[in-house]
Amino acid sequence: ETGVTQTPRHLVMGMTNKKSLKCEQHLGHNAMYWYKQSAKKPLELMFVYNFKEQTENNSVPSRFSPECPNSSHLFLHLHTLQPEDSALYLCASSHRAGHTDEQYFGPGTRLTVT
Amino acid sequence: TQLLEQSPQFLSIQEGENLTVYCNSSSVFSSLQWYRQEPGEGPVLLVTVVTGGEVKKLKRLTFQFGDARKDSSLHITAAQPGDTGLYLCAGITRPSNTGKLIFGQGTTLQVKP
Repeated sequence: ETGVTQTPRHLVMGMTNKKSLKCEQHLGHNAMYWYKQSAKKPLELMFVYNFKEQTENNSVPSRFSPECPNSSHLFLHLHTLQPEDSALYLCASSHRAGHTDEQYFGPGTRLTVT
Repeated sequence: TQLLEQSPQFLSIQEGENLTVYCNSSSVFSSLQWYRQEPGEGPVLLVTVVTGGEVKKLKRLTFQFGDARKDSSLHITAAQPGDTGLYLCAGITRPSNTGKLIFGQGTTLQVKP
């Protein structure tokens, strides 16, 4: 595998379910990010991890819980979601979280909450 | 309040035509990036501009960063159907150890054969 991979690519879950999204980067980067992409809205940054430490939580509801066990892996644990949480969830990585760092995105997980 | 305004939001043109997409803000950016996203995929980085007035070319794509680092443009010459996709500009407003990238809402480009 190369670049940034995400699993699953599609997920349908009920509001009472618990599920997790997984992201893995094979680029040797030290920073990882979760974004939410909804129709007709700009990409919204959710969380930033730099060297496994969370450096940004963009006022994300607690029903989204990130986990970064090492610089290559990032998870997003989901529980008691709402239908408005349906969106494309994108993971990205960069060399480090800095002012000119270029971010590389995975293909995303298309989440539908029923 | 939208920090980065992209225009137009949707563009449908014929193969061979030229087009320009704009990305404007009232804020100053330390760097600005352009991405292209195809359906079902994540955004792919096309270019990063850092210096005010900078111009970068990528084959038929020309990117410009405004002198005041508040705006940018993407010009495509002789568009091809393979250029179809969602074009996103994104910027970082200040040197930051969080790397918070602000995205525009995107320009959907459709190039018809």
